[in-house]
Amino acid sequence: DIQMTQSPSSLSASVGDRVTITCRASQGIGNFLAWFQQKSGKAPKSLIYAASSLQSGVPSKFSGSGSGTDFTLTISSLQPEDFATYYCQQYHSFPLTFGQGTRLEIK
Amino acid sequence: EVQLLESGGDLVQPGGSLRLSCAVSGFAFSSYAMSWVRQAPGRGLEWVSLISGRDGKTHYADSVKGRFTISTDNSKNTLYLQMHSLRAEDTAIYYCARCYSSATPRPDYWGQGTLVTVSS
Repeated sequence: DIQMTQSPSSLSASVGDRVTITCRASQGIGNFLAWFQQKSGKAPKSLIYAASSLQSGVPSKFSGSGSGTDFTLTISSLQPEDFATYYCQQYHSFPLTFGQGTRLEIK
Repeated sequence: EVQLLESGGDLVQPGGSLRLSCAVSGFAFSSYAMSWVRQAPGRGLEWVSLISGRDGKTHYADSVKGRFTISTDNSKNTLYLQMHSLRAEDTAIYYCARCYSSATPRPDYWGQGTLVTVSS
């Protein structure tokens, strides 16, 4: 199975900041990587697919990059509604696997 | 508008069975793959199973293989997850998600989830 490791596990930031979350795969997955946002008590929301393509309706403040084993999610100009938990997921091969999540909190 | 609505979650005893449903609308159901993803209380996301809309091929996480069965009824635009031999560790919110395809199984739309509690 492909292991997905996110860092950091939690992150404190202020409104207006720019933050970057990292996701590392245990083996090469090309660009078969997605990012999701989950707010407390809510279902996940799809943000990015193919490592860097924005899901329809997602604002351009979210951006993704990387290929192979190392990926990043960057969120610019943080707003209160951006504070949530973020997950990466590889869909290169079964079983599909998620990172453990990164909790983004207001400083 | 794409909509997915799960139902069927309940309190069930260890060793029991339960069937979850996910009714969908707003897209051609049989043209997409569909997944179940679960989240134990206070934990992260765990992929459970996927079914291809095109050929019905299925995939399962090792943790549920042999106990859970994913299926669809295209006439009802509904996805199912039949769960047997339930264990305490199956306690979770279960989400259904539309996936682009079985070859590119990235989720794009999610339901709101249904809670399964396995406890005596």
